[in-house]
Amino acid sequence: DAGVTQSPTHLIKTRGQHVTLRCSPISGHKSVSWYQQVLGQGPQFIFQYYEKEERGRGNFPDRFSARQFPNYSSELNVNALLLGDSALYLCASSLQGAGEYFGPGTRLTVT
Amino acid sequence: DQQVKQNSPSLSVQEGRISILNCDYTNSMFDYFLWYKKYPAEGPTFLISISSIKDKNEDGRFTVFLNKSAKHLSLHIVPSQPGDSAVYFCAASPNYGGSQGNLIFGKGTKLSVKP
Repeated sequence: DAGVTQSPTHLIKTRGQHVTLRCSPISGHKSVSWYQQVLGQGPQFIFQYYEKEERGRGNFPDRFSARQFPNYSSELNVNALLLGDSALYLCASSLQGAGEYFGPGTRLTVT
Repeated sequence: DQQVKQNSPSLSVQEGRISILNCDYTNSMFDYFLWYKKYPAEGPTFLISISSIKDKNEDGRFTVFLNKSAKHLSLHIVPSQPGDSAVYFCAASPNYGGSQGNLIFGKGTKLSVKP
């Protein structure tokens, strides 16, 4: 069975641009969460979606948005990129009552 | 204000010995705790979890202990192997309708197991 997949693997963008990151959960998982991990820190929660509804939102500005599609895949969008948005963006999927299973992440570099 | 704290940035252990990784939390609403292992250039890998109704959970070489009164948990790895060398993250889930989507992570502890 495939695990959580994310695309692209790496991405370089310029300040002010917009970026879209994609995630496909493990088959059968209806919950998708997004996390941001900067160097030397643990992952920080951005959003959770369950059955296409937003279930939770972390302390991130409105430049960050996400959505979940009928097949449970998800997109994370970030507008007006700042240098500080450079990080590893992790997607995780889960069943209720289970641990979160993470994808390999998308490494975003903003120059 | 960190709600989940891993105060040891690094730990070095000899192969075959016990590794003990510690984690403290401040929010008494946390009711589910998880440990993850992370290799460079990979996402975190789920290791083991524990619910607040238990004080111990064991899975092979990995055991997690929870002391709710002290708001402290620890991960024991016995025996430690060189392949266990990685960054270990402690995470906690707030009691929001049972969802584990909103995990609060510590900063991680880098474990090095020497042959």
